[in-house]
Amino acid sequence: EAGVTQFPSHSVIEKGQTVTLRCDPISGHDNLYWYRRVMGKEIKFLLHFVKESKQDESGMPNNRFLAERTGGTYSTLKVQPAELEDSGVYFCASSQDFVQWNTEAFFGQGTRLTVV
Amino acid sequence: DAKTTQPTSMDCAEGRAANLPCNHSTISGNEYVYWYRQIHSQGPQYIIHGLKNNETNEMASLIITEDRKSSTLILPHATLRDTAVYYCIVRENAGGTSYGKLTFGQGTILTVHP
Repeated sequence: EAGVTQFPSHSVIEKGQTVTLRCDPISGHDNLYWYRRVMGKEIKFLLHFVKESKQDESGMPNNRFLAERTGGTYSTLKVQPAELEDSGVYFCASSQDFVQWNTEAFFGQGTRLTVV
Repeated sequence: DAKTTQPTSMDCAEGRAANLPCNHSTISGNEYVYWYRQIHSQGPQYIIHGLKNNETNEMASLIITEDRKSSTLILPHATLRDTAVYYCIVRENAGGTSYGKLTFGQGTILTVHP
């Protein structure tokens, strides 16, 4: 069974440009989470999808970040326009059941974003 | 903010048991204790979780005190590949408002020596 897959693994863009990160969760997982770690800081929650609906987006830093999950399958996280402080590693995680919270979340390998 | 406190770093000799402590004195009755680890440049990896009973799986054991205010993750025979940052996380159960999100702290850097 394939794990959580993230694309690209690395991205280097200039300040002001747009970048779109993609996450493919484990098949059948209703819950999809985005997290990120910026330089020297802890891993922080960004948002949570249940199927195609945004359940919690309290961690989104500002309106330059837009996340979508069309059809409840893969998700994209777009940063437009990118700023230097957006550099970091963006992780996606998925878990199976909306009701049973005591199930583990599986993480992807992350996308390392560098804004120059 | 993370609801857990962990030592910043620990060392362990290869082949010995690694015991990683975690304090979560404000844990609520509907919150689970989860352990994840992050090996350099990889995504966090689930290890184990528990509510109040001790748990064991193929990776580790989790010992939770009776008052649930602290726990210990035990890697019974540490190997060099267990060198990683270990995160103890308190996670809300169903019906809560956090909807299962994980709040990471600084974690414990475990270094396993030959």
